[in-house]
Amino acid sequence: ETGVTQTPRHLVMGMTNKKSLKCEQHLGHNAMYWYKQSAKKPLELMFVYSLEERVENNSVPSRFSPECPNSSHLFLHLHTLQPEDSALYLCASSQEGSGADTQYFGPGTRLTVL
Amino acid sequence: GNSVTQMEGPVTLSEEAFLTINCTYTATGYPSLFWYVQYPGEGLQLLLKATKADDKGSNKGFEATYRKETTSFHLEKGSVQVSDSAVYFCALSDMYSGGGADGLTFGKGTHLIIQP
Repeated sequence: ETGVTQTPRHLVMGMTNKKSLKCEQHLGHNAMYWYKQSAKKPLELMFVYSLEERVENNSVPSRFSPECPNSSHLFLHLHTLQPEDSALYLCASSQEGSGADTQYFGPGTRLTVL
Repeated sequence: GNSVTQMEGPVTLSEEAFLTINCTYTATGYPSLFWYVQYPGEGLQLLLKATKADDKGSNKGFEATYRKETTSFHLEKGSVQVSDSAVYFCALSDMYSGGGADGLTFGKGTHLIIQP
């Protein structure tokens, strides 16, 4: 596998369920990101991990819980979500310190909360 | 704070037409500027970028020039194809706004439709 992969690609869950989104990057990068893409809104940065430490949390509700066990993997744990959390969740990675700033995105997980 | 403003679509053109998608930005530091493209059902792909004033990014016939004096990064292509139909996002990364790894600030995206 190359690039950034995300699983599952589609997820339907009830408001009382607990689920996790997974992201894996095969680029040797040291920073990873979660974004939320909702209809008619700009992409919203949710979390940033650099060298496996969380460096940014943009006032995301606690029902979203990120985890970065190593530089290649990033998870987003979901619990007691609301219907307005339905969106495309995108993972990205980059190489901090390279000066290139370029982020590479996965295909996303389309989440529907019933 | 940082922000990106781009024309909202949908923009509908005929094949072989000239394309311009406007993008302007505000930033507190010295941003790098990007255009990403999202095809249906897929994630974002980097189309081109520019890291300093007067730089021109180019890829697949698309071009954009970093204009500091007008804080703009307009995307252009001389002759579009049906396969260019997608959503295009302008974005910036301001290395001084957060320190270290930082998220990108995106525009809302422009939906481009190319008709044969």
